[in-house]
Amino acid sequence: AQRVTQPEKLLSVFKGAPVELKCNYSYSGSPELFWYVQYSRQRLQLLLRHISRESIKGFTADLNKGETSFHLKKPFAQEEDSAMYYCALMNQAGTALIFGKGTTLSVSS
Amino acid sequence: AAGVIQSPRHLIKEKRETATLKCYPIPRHDTVYWYQQGPGQDPQFLISFYEKMQSDKGSIPDRFSAQQFSDYHSELNMSSLELGDSALYFCASSYGPISGNTIYFGEGSWLTVV
Repeated sequence: AQRVTQPEKLLSVFKGAPVELKCNYSYSGSPELFWYVQYSRQRLQLLLRHISRESIKGFTADLNKGETSFHLKKPFAQEEDSAMYYCALMNQAGTALIFGKGTTLSVSS
Repeated sequence: AAGVIQSPRHLIKEKRETATLKCYPIPRHDTVYWYQQGPGQDPQFLISFYEKMQSDKGSIPDRFSAQQFSDYHSELNMSSLELGDSALYFCASSYGPISGNTIYFGEGSWLTVV
């Protein structure tokens, strides 16, 4: 079964604190994973994808096949990072993204 | 840069009415995806098209239908609307099937069924 699990519905941190948004997946074979961010019910924006191994807005994510995880990390959270974050997995057919339930990140000063 | 355009942005319909949402992909993008996001829910994949042919189908109700036209824009037709259809409907596009390509989302169309 192809599934994405984001165990935390809400994560509240203080400005400057490290952030880790958890994502676990279920997939047969080599997964293609993404993180999308959604600010105040705006459009979903691609934050990063694991195959490009890039860092956007200070966020990074490493694919851990042993733990079937793709956690999103940032060493120092900023207030403007407050948003909904979705982990997504490309389906087996390569034709659609499967989203997790999302985690709301709230960064306060 | 041009983005995915969706219209209308907001729509209010009564139960049992019909609604049509339109999506204009980024120029040169030939693949369109439709997602439904209910209040406080994650986006659920409905249907996708590649080169005007349906490429995949998700949890799209039988009351809904969609198509992609020769200019690659797509329309989602929803009939016999129910209160539970109230949601944000996202359209997304990519150049070619998603594998290896980035999928870009539109702002969404808010449908409220009363």
